[in-house]
Amino acid sequence: NAGVTQTPKFQVLKTGQSMTLQCAQDMNHEYMSWYRQDPGMGLRLIHYSVGAGITDQGEVPNGYNVSRSTTEDFPLRLLSAAPSQTSVYFCASSLKGEGGYNEQFFGPGTRLTVL
Amino acid sequence: AQSVAQPEDQVNVAEGNPLTVKCTYSVSGNPYLFWYVQYPNRGLQFLLKYITGDNLVKGSYGFEAEFNKSQTSFHLKKPSALVSDSALYFCAVRPPNTGFQKLVFGTGTRLLVSP
Repeated sequence: NAGVTQTPKFQVLKTGQSMTLQCAQDMNHEYMSWYRQDPGMGLRLIHYSVGAGITDQGEVPNGYNVSRSTTEDFPLRLLSAAPSQTSVYFCASSLKGEGGYNEQFFGPGTRLTVL
Repeated sequence: AQSVAQPEDQVNVAEGNPLTVKCTYSVSGNPYLFWYVQYPNRGLQFLLKYITGDNLVKGSYGFEAEFNKSQTSFHLKKPSALVSDSALYFCAVRPPNTGFQKLVFGTGTRLLVSP
């Protein structure tokens, strides 16, 4: 298993540009999430999905869109990049559980810089 | 509001000595608690979790954590530190009755183990 994969690893954008961060998992996990990691702030949840066709907002959703057409893929779209979106982005997946306490598996991250 | 505090930005310990990384939480009800580790340029990896039961939880790589309800703490410990344990450690809590797995992360503690 490749686990959770993310592309690209690095990206530089200009303000106002759009792009899509790709995330895929091959573990047949129902749950997938996108986080951003900023210095001194830990990880914050952007969007999440509990299954194909179902997505919802997390703590910091503004400026981002997601969709989930398949179990495997969960792309994150930046509509019009802003310097405040400079961050490291992590995708994560986990099994669905009744208690919601299954551990999450994280991808290697995408480091995004917006100029 | 639900929150997690990691009061130390960095913990320094000599190889072979015991280590403790502190975490306290503030949630209503009985939380689910997690520890994750992040090595340089990698995604987070699950270490251990507390759901219910024995207050001492054992996890990967010889780590353990003690849940203390009265002190609302979940400190990470290891009897004998290794240089390879040097990494960034995150405590996270899933508040009860929040659905999905909306983890709230602490800001992280950098562990530096010196030879």
